Amino acid sequence: NAGVTQTPKFQVLKTGQSMTLQCAQDMNHEYMSWYRQDPGMGLRLIHYSVGAGITDQGEVPNGYNVSRSTTEDFPLRLLSAAPSQTSVYFCASSYSGTGVRYGYTFGSGTRLTVV
Amino acid sequence: QQQVKQSPQSLIVQKGGISIINCAYENTAFDYFPWYQQFPGKGPALLIAIRPDVSEKKEGRFTISFNKSAKQFSLHIMDSQPGDSATYFCAAPGYSSASKIIFGSGTRLSIRP
Repeated sequence: NAGVTQTPKFQVLKTGQSMTLQCAQDMNHEYMSWYRQDPGMGLRLIHYSVGAGITDQGEVPNGYNVSRSTTEDFPLRLLSAAPSQTSVYFCASSYSGTGVRYGYTFGSGTRLTVV
Repeated sequence: QQQVKQSPQSLIVQKGGISIINCAYENTAFDYFPWYQQFPGKGPALLIAIRPDVSEKKEGRFTISFNKSAKQFSLHIMDSQPGDSATYFCAAPGYSSASKIIFGSGTRLSIRP
C-alpha cells in the first residue's frame, strides 16, 4: 500500500548511543519532515526537506541530523541520545511545501525510549 | 514563536452528543486550516480542512467553523460515536519557512456509549 513507512516501531537506547530512524515514502512527494510528539505539546517540527539534496531545520533540531539523497528516503539520525529525546517520532510527507492544502501523510511512528 | 492554542485538552461526550474543539491562531497568511485525527498507535491523518475565505465546511458529521476576524476556528462532531474517540489536532500556517505549519497541542476526545 502507498504511504509513509517508518522503521523501527520501537527502540530503546542507552544515553550516548546513536541511531538512525528510517522513513520512506512511495508517493513521489517532494516535501518530507520529521516531528516529535510529546504529551501536551502537540507535534513539533525537527527537520524538513523540500526535495532531494535540500534540508533545513525546524523548531527543535538540536541533537538530530538529516539528509535527503533520494526523493523516497529521509532518515533521521540521533547523534548522541539523551533522555530528553524520549518521544514518539513521526515522519510526514506532502506534495506541496506547506502541505496544508493537500494534507500531510504521516507514518505510524517510532516510539523511542532513552535510558 | 508563533503559537496555535487548542482547547480543551481533553473532552468527554456522550454518544449522540456534539463534540466541539476550538483553535486560535496568530498568522493571517492565506492557507488552509486543517484538523487531523489520530488513533492510538497511529500517525495523525487529515480529517478536514477549510479555506480562510469561507466560514464553514461540512463533511458528513464533521464541520469546521471559521472566524477570520477572531482568528479562531473550531471542529464540530455531530452525533458523536465511540469510533470518534481519538486525539484531534488543529494546524495553522507558521510565520517562517522553518515553521511551515504549526500544530495545536491536541485534544483527547472520548465518546461514552
